[in-house]
Amino acid sequence: GAVVSQHPSRVICKSGTSVKIECRSLDFQATTMFWYRQFPKQSLMLMATSNEGSKATYEQGVEKDKFLINHASLTLSTLTVTSAHPEDSSFYICSARDRVWDRGDETQYFGPGTRLLVL
Amino acid sequence: GEDVEQSLFLSVREGDSSVINCTYTDSSSTYLYWYKQEPGAGLQLLTYIFSNMDMKQDQRLTVLLNKKDKHLSLRIADTQTGDSAIYFCAETHDYKLSFGAGTTVTVRA
Repeated sequence: GAVVSQHPSRVICKSGTSVKIECRSLDFQATTMFWYRQFPKQSLMLMATSNEGSKATYEQGVEKDKFLINHASLTLSTLTVTSAHPEDSSFYICSARDRVWDRGDETQYFGPGTRLLVL
Repeated sequence: GEDVEQSLFLSVREGDSSVINCTYTDSSSTYLYWYKQEPGAGLQLLTYIFSNMDMKQDQRLTVLLNKKDKHLSLRIADTQTGDSAIYFCAETHDYKLSFGAGTTVTVRA
C-alpha cells in the first residue's frame, strides 16, 4: 500500500520549453502532496505544498510563476516547469500524505523522482 | 536542512551493525522519520517514531529517541550489501518535513 508514482522518470528538453511532471497516489487518496527538489549529493528541498482544490503554498524563494502546481484530484498533482533553463536541471520528487487522518500520523510517501535535464 | 544534522558517511562491514545518528532542533516535532534512498531513486520510508516513544523496533531496525537531547538514531542489525544507500533523518512540524543532509552508508564485504 501507499504507492506514489511519477511520470516521466526522465526528461530532456530544450531551454525555453515547458515540462510537466505528474505525481499520482495509486492506492490512497491524498489531499496534500509535496514537491521537492534535490541537487546531486544534497538533501531534499521543499518547493511547495499542493492542496487538492486550492492554490499551492510555495516556500520562500520558489517562484510560483516558474513552477506551476495543479492538484486537480485527490490522486493527482502536476508540476509544470515553465520556460525551463539549464539551472532548472535537477531531480524532482513528489510525496503524498494519506487522507486517512485517523491513522494519526503525518507520514509522507514518496514517488520515485523525475530527473530533468535542460539543454 | 540546517535544523536536522547527520554525519555524512558511514562504512560498515557486512554482518555488523550500523548506527546512524541524527540531531534535530525542533522540540515540538511530533514524528521523526528515517528514509532510505538508493541511487537514482525516490525515498523509501523505513520507519518512524512518535515523539512520546523512546524506542521502536521493526525487524532489523531499531530506532532510539532521546527527546531531552533531541537525538535520534537508527540501528541496522546484520547489515547487508543491499543496505548500502543514503539514509535521511527527518522531523515533521506543521505537516512539513525537514530533512538532514543524509548519511551515505557503504557496506563492505
